[in-house]
Amino acid sequence: GAVVSQHPSRVICKSGTSVKIECRSLDFQATTMFWYRQFPKKSLMLMATSNEGSKATYEQGVEKDKFLINHASLTLSTLTVTSAHPEDSSFYICSARIAGVGNEQFFGPGTRLTVL
Amino acid sequence: AQTVTQSQPEMSVQEAETVTLSCTYDTSESDYYLFWYKQPPSRQMILVIRQEAYKQQNATENRFSVNFQKAAKSFSLKISDSQLGDAAMYFCAYTLGTSYDKVIFGPGTSLSVIP
Repeated sequence: GAVVSQHPSRVICKSGTSVKIECRSLDFQATTMFWYRQFPKKSLMLMATSNEGSKATYEQGVEKDKFLINHASLTLSTLTVTSAHPEDSSFYICSARIAGVGNEQFFGPGTRLTVL
Repeated sequence: AQTVTQSQPEMSVQEAETVTLSCTYDTSESDYYLFWYKQPPSRQMILVIRQEAYKQQNATENRFSVNFQKAAKSFSLKISDSQLGDAAMYFCAYTLGTSYDKVIFGPGTSLSVIP
């Protein structure tokens, strides 16, 4: 099956700094990538939908200036958490879809962000 | 708006027994996809089974099968011969017919398998 990687898998940063998380589709071209946030024992909360070469579409309540998403190519999307605060600590998951392939999403392994 | 509901926050099953996880959804669309995803302690999301709404036949994947009731907007997952490795969070999910459409997840059911 299609493989999606995320880097880093874990990151600890100081409050006020910015953190970049990369999401790559390793063996396919992703027409659309999605970014989710997941709190412990909760479901995935969609943050934004990212299409290559265009601006991301953010879900209601998600600050686009806080969570910068760039989808520069068909295999790479990045999420930058700017001026991170402890409340941004969470598990972030990306996924990618291939047009016309049963609409399945292929998920990355996730990134655990801890802001001190 | 589309919603997905899983009414069982937690379930448990004896090893080798069968368990059914419930899922209902709300939509006014006729063409859509339904999924069950498994999230083990590693937190990697794994696709368990997929159902296209236009197909009347229930999907099956080895020990996993679904009971898809389109009129009732119900999509339950049956796990037969439960194994210890089946212990995980299970999420029911819904999406429309294009790759640009977002996937809506239910709140999840935590499944424990008792040896």
